[in-house]
Amino acid sequence: DTAVSQTPKYLVTQMGNDKSIKCEQNLGHDTMYWYKQDSKKFLKIMFSYNNKELIINETVPNRFSPKSPDKAHLNLHINSLELGDSAVYFCASSQEGAMGQPQHFGDGTRLSIL
Amino acid sequence: GENVGLHLPTLSVQEGDNSIINCAYSNSASDYFIWYKQESGKGPQFIIDIRSNMDKRQGQRVTVLLNKTVKHLSLQIAATQPGDSAVYFCAEKTDSNYQLIWGAGTKLIIKP
Repeated sequence: DTAVSQTPKYLVTQMGNDKSIKCEQNLGHDTMYWYKQDSKKFLKIMFSYNNKELIINETVPNRFSPKSPDKAHLNLHINSLELGDSAVYFCASSQEGAMGQPQHFGDGTRLSIL
Repeated sequence: GENVGLHLPTLSVQEGDNSIINCAYSNSASDYFIWYKQESGKGPQFIIDIRSNMDKRQGQRVTVLLNKTVKHLSLQIAATQPGDSAVYFCAEKTDSNYQLIWGAGTKLIIKP
């Protein structure tokens, strides 16, 4: 059973399009995250939700909008895609986000903007 | 902001030898530290964590050492195997903050 699953695994699209990435976790965790990993493997937190409430919102363009319909899902919608959005996006989840518990990651969505 | 950094971006180790991956951090208030392994095409995978009230923790073939005096964290992998080839990340957090602060990653290469 996949603990944190993201879809799609690959996403190739044109500049200016709008796309969504979905994430689901079956671990019963309270907190979910979105990260962006660039070509140099640097991981940057984008958003975090705890029990469907936004708790971390880093300096991310407002073209990126997370949505959490329930605590098992955290989707990422991106409007007006730009070349610089090309990266690997990782979803993660953890229990008790502030208390020091490991985050569990999905296998990433590789977004390529043409 | 304060960063968690790694001394070596790439580490080559002979198969069967021990590997030591180092990490420096600058936030003395950090009280939780964690190591991840990321294989090609996959997400980061939790290896081991340690809290600031400890200075050593062991897992299966891995040991994490924490030196709070010099703000240094290391991951030791015993009898390195080809399957250990990956990028290794350290990360830190404070109790009051949900956010993990990530290091830049070290690529571990295993020589046959």
